[in-house]
Amino acid sequence: GNSVTQMEGPVTLSEEAFLTINCTYTATGYPSLFWYVQYPGEGLQLLLKATKADDKGSNKGFEATYRKETTSFHLEKGSVQVSDSAVYFCALSGGGSNYKLTFGKGTLLTVNP
Amino acid sequence: DSGVTQTPKHLITATGQRVTLRCSPRSGDLSVYWYQQSLDQGLQFLIHYYNGEERAKGNILERFSAQQFPDLHSELNLSSLELGDSALYFCASSVGPESNTGELFFGEGSRLTVL
Repeated sequence: GNSVTQMEGPVTLSEEAFLTINCTYTATGYPSLFWYVQYPGEGLQLLLKATKADDKGSNKGFEATYRKETTSFHLEKGSVQVSDSAVYFCALSGGGSNYKLTFGKGTLLTVNP
Repeated sequence: DSGVTQTPKHLITATGQRVTLRCSPRSGDLSVYWYQQSLDQGLQFLIHYYNGEERAKGNILERFSAQQFPDLHSELNLSSLELGDSALYFCASSVGPESNTGELFFGEGSRLTVL
């Protein structure tokens, strides 16, 4: 079945540092890939997505590229802010497992001023 | 604000009891998904309804059941509760029946504590 593995946290960075959160996946077929973010006390919200190989999703300074050859979808941001502190979830859908998202376990990011 | 409303926000109950969690999807969304979030298991898919019909089942226990009503709101019923059922239960909605191209909109969750 489908699965998502993302780097375990917590990750603690200083403001303006570079961020990478690794995500790899296992899926049949051609899944769509997503990053969701969960701010404290809130539900998850979509951060970015990519629906086919070599697509790059981007939003709010975050980027991730769908790499089929390495089955990866790593999240990056060049300069993090305190307001980026949240839990980040990598997820996939489709590719033989329709109608539901399969999530990674989440990575807690804390950005200190 | 995602437009998805979940009630109650917090619920404390005892083992063996039964509770009902309610979800109102975003206006116009026909799909409702239920997820369970716990520290050890992460975010687990439970069940998906589209326009009143069950479309997919995930790791949902037999003690749990759900339904989607004609007005598209959904309820998740949890019975014979155990300590391990303590978790945050999220509802999400989307326009269509598939989540692979669309975006899911999540509610703020219902935190269930079983004592």
